[in-house]
Amino acid sequence: DAKTTQPTSMDCAEGRAANLPCNHSTISGNEYVYWYRQIHSQGPQYIIHGLKNNETNEMASLIITEDRKSSTLILPHATLRDTAVYYCIVSGDNTDKLIFGTGTRLQVFP
Amino acid sequence: DAGVIQSPRHEVTEMGQEVTLRCKPISGHNSLFWYRQTMMRGLELLIYFNNNVPIDDSGMPEDRFSAKMPNASFSTLKIQPSEPRDSAVYFCASSYRTSGHNEQFFGPGTRLTVL
Repeated sequence: DAKTTQPTSMDCAEGRAANLPCNHSTISGNEYVYWYRQIHSQGPQYIIHGLKNNETNEMASLIITEDRKSSTLILPHATLRDTAVYYCIVSGDNTDKLIFGTGTRLQVFP
Repeated sequence: DAGVIQSPRHEVTEMGQEVTLRCKPISGHNSLFWYRQTMMRGLELLIYFNNNVPIDDSGMPEDRFSAKMPNASFSTLKIQPSEPRDSAVYFCASSYRTSGHNEQFFGPGTRLTVL
């Protein structure tokens, strides 16, 4: 599976949009981009995933560049409860494995 | 559904003792995963099962670790003998795998401390 690179940490003001970037320059054609988050002391939680089109659900939006080498997770109106570690994972359809990296620690402040 | 259930939530044991962690996946899910999380190594996949069959155990650190899934509703991860370096949070996750969708549901974890 392709490796991902994320910033170690980010801050965001409550009510503002949080934009979390991820680089996956070695992604292959059949690999998806998944985002999970882990709130302190809890198990990771699925947020969203995509192949090449932008995706939106009730939690977030996922923007994937046309060349698919990078993506951005957008939390449109961050709240204090969105403070967590966010993991960007690339995984193919031929495996059940998800390889978690170090993620981005997002701190939402009042 | 109650989600993925893990027991115990906390376990404190002494070096050399056997430890058994338990997991009940979400009903209807066909894949089950065991992960370990430490500050040093992050979140690591230890082993996963598909339809109760172990598919990939390449993440199991050594022979002291073993995992079983005797039926679709129960799995165990056993450490024998336990060592202080096994102290970690162990997560179980389950999923119903479909093409193009790999959403895993995680349990609350078992915090293991080996003294």
